[in-house]
Amino acid sequence: TQLLEQSPQFLSIQEGENLTVYCNSSSVFSSLQWYRQEPGEGPVLLVTVVTGGEVKKLKRLTFQFGDARKDSSLHITAAQPGDTGLYLCAGAQISRARGTSYGKLTFGQGTILTVHP
Amino acid sequence: DAGVTQSPTHLIKTRGQHVTLRCSPISGHKSVSWYQQVLGQGPQFIFQYYEKEERGRGNFPDRFSARQFPNYSSELNVNALLLGDSALYLCASSLFQEETQYFGPGTRLLVL
Repeated sequence: TQLLEQSPQFLSIQEGENLTVYCNSSSVFSSLQWYRQEPGEGPVLLVTVVTGGEVKKLKRLTFQFGDARKDSSLHITAAQPGDTGLYLCAGAQISRARGTSYGKLTFGQGTILTVHP
Repeated sequence: DAGVTQSPTHLIKTRGQHVTLRCSPISGHKSVSWYQQVLGQGPQFIFQYYEKEERGRGNFPDRFSARQFPNYSSELNVNALLLGDSALYLCASSLFQEETQYFGPGTRLLVL
């Protein structure tokens, strides 16, 4: 069973601070996605990283995929109250069963981020 | 462009009942996956369908079943509901079964 450990589970910071969320696994993933989820809504895709060592930037958010494609991090610079939400990492695994393949996402437990004004 | 849509948004059932949840993928996407998200946890993989066939299944009992229609929409069925089935049920669509998945808003199921 693929496991993805996400930390920290909770993060409460003041506006303007920086933060980093980590996702670690002992397994290799074909790609890794980061999602943000608001209460009662579905996860919204932020980014997909595919290549080991890849770094992607989305405004104040920086995503990195580990060289071995087993871990990832999300760094937010100068956090704002609008960044408040649940952040989820999800590792994509291509599995094979009954002569066919399918793509399964294994999610971390999530990080609940609260940014205070 | 319309994203993934799911219906109903909320549902209340009692133990032992049956429920059907519906999902329409993004236009052009041929694969639909279903996930269960219990409060305070990340989503757990239930099924993936591609071209109307089940391609993958997670660790869920046989009470859970699904199907995909010729227009690529999908239904998730759960029989003999248990209290523990209360969760947010998420549908995700992708172009093909191994591509990035985009999630719908979910159906909140409460079993009393």
